[in-house]
Amino acid sequence: AQSVTQLDSQVPVFEEAPVELRCNYSSSVSVYLFWYVQYPNQGLQLLLKYLSGSTLVKGINGFEAEFNKSQTSFHLRKPSVHISDTAEYFCAVSARSRGSARQLTFGSGTQLTVLP
Amino acid sequence: EADIYQTPRYLVIGTGKKITLECSQTMGHDKMYWYQQDPGMELHLIHYSYGVNSTEKGDLSSESTVSRIRTEHFPLTLESARPSHTSQYLCASSESSGTRWEQYFGPGTRLTVT
Repeated sequence: AQSVTQLDSQVPVFEEAPVELRCNYSSSVSVYLFWYVQYPNQGLQLLLKYLSGSTLVKGINGFEAEFNKSQTSFHLRKPSVHISDTAEYFCAVSARSRGSARQLTFGSGTQLTVLP
Repeated sequence: EADIYQTPRYLVIGTGKKITLECSQTMGHDKMYWYQQDPGMELHLIHYSYGVNSTEKGDLSSESTVSRIRTEHFPLTLESARPSHTSQYLCASSESSGTRWEQYFGPGTRLTVT
């Protein structure tokens, strides 16, 4: 089984400042990692994913994340945030296993609020 | 833009009514999922399907039921709605094979049972 911990439930930050949203996971098997964003009254949109290869992955809207296997972390970063980045961000993991249901286990979410 | 649709987007209904939440996708994905999400909370998987005529219960126990008669359609039914069913319900789909491991989400249905 997998579990995901998002260490900060709320992160306020001023516009144009950098931000890091933290995510740690636990799993007995290898995993794939994802970050999703959810705007109010909408579904989830994929920001980025790590499947293999380079541990630094770039996503949409200027976000990037780094996979750290030794620390079992997958923190999300953006060098300069905009008001429009205000949303809920979810980290998720999926076990790498052939024939699996490809289920995602989600963290509890981090509300990013960008202040003017 | 993912092609996955949910109707209705918002539903307010009285206790005891039967309701069906619709979910359709046009991507030909075999795998489909239903999640329940309370305000400000994480998503919990309540049902999933590997393909036509295949359905399984998820990690969170739910009184709802699902069916998968067609690949593109995965409706969720509550036989008798109760206030405890008030929540947001999100439908998702994913490919069965290949490298696109991610799930694509619909816009959600916000259900309120009075």
